[in-house]
Amino acid sequence: SQKIEQNSEALNIQEGKTATLTCNYTNYSPAYLQWYRQDPGRGPVFLLLIRENEKEKRKERLKVTFDTTLKQSLFHITASQPADSATYLCAPSNFNKFYFGSGTKLNVKP
Amino acid sequence: ETGVTQTPRHLVMGMTNKKSLKCEQHLGHNAMYWYKQSAKKPLELMFVYSLEERVENNSVPSRFSPECPNSSHLFLHLHTLQPEDSALYLCASSQDPGAKPQHFGDGTRLSIL
Repeated sequence: SQKIEQNSEALNIQEGKTATLTCNYTNYSPAYLQWYRQDPGRGPVFLLLIRENEKEKRKERLKVTFDTTLKQSLFHITASQPADSATYLCAPSNFNKFYFGSGTKLNVKP
Repeated sequence: ETGVTQTPRHLVMGMTNKKSLKCEQHLGHNAMYWYKQSAKKPLELMFVYSLEERVENNSVPSRFSPECPNSSHLFLHLHTLQPEDSALYLCASSQDPGAKPQHFGDGTRLSIL
């Protein structure tokens, strides 16, 4: 069965640095991959979607890569701010098959 | 501010009770979803509806019964739940099923006594 791995340990970084979060998947080939942000007591909020034929996608301070050979996606936040502190979920999915990782908690310290 | 509204936000019920969770989306989307989120676990997809027809049912116990009367409303009827059903239940919508961003509500925190 499909498996998605995100770092279960929190990532602590200093304000202004680049945060890099990892999403690995096994036993399937997703057609696309999404990243979401979730704050405590709230539902996930969509950030970026990247398709299997795309290597990289950017949106403001965010950058996502999708390596179908390594079965991995990297999510980067440049010039991180304390307001970026949240849990980030990856979702490598196929049409009508939606899978989420457990998320990585990011703490950005001032 | 969200285009997907869930009620109630919190629900405490006994194992023999019957209750319903409600979800409403104001985005004009055609697909709606129910997810279960337990502590330290990934979101688990429960049901997918497209144009009011169920297109996915991920082996969810029959004590959970979904209903989609129209493309803007989704219900999850609960009966005879177990303590392990305590979790955050999230509703989401998207333009259609597939490679489209999903918009989530803030969930119903369900506790089974």
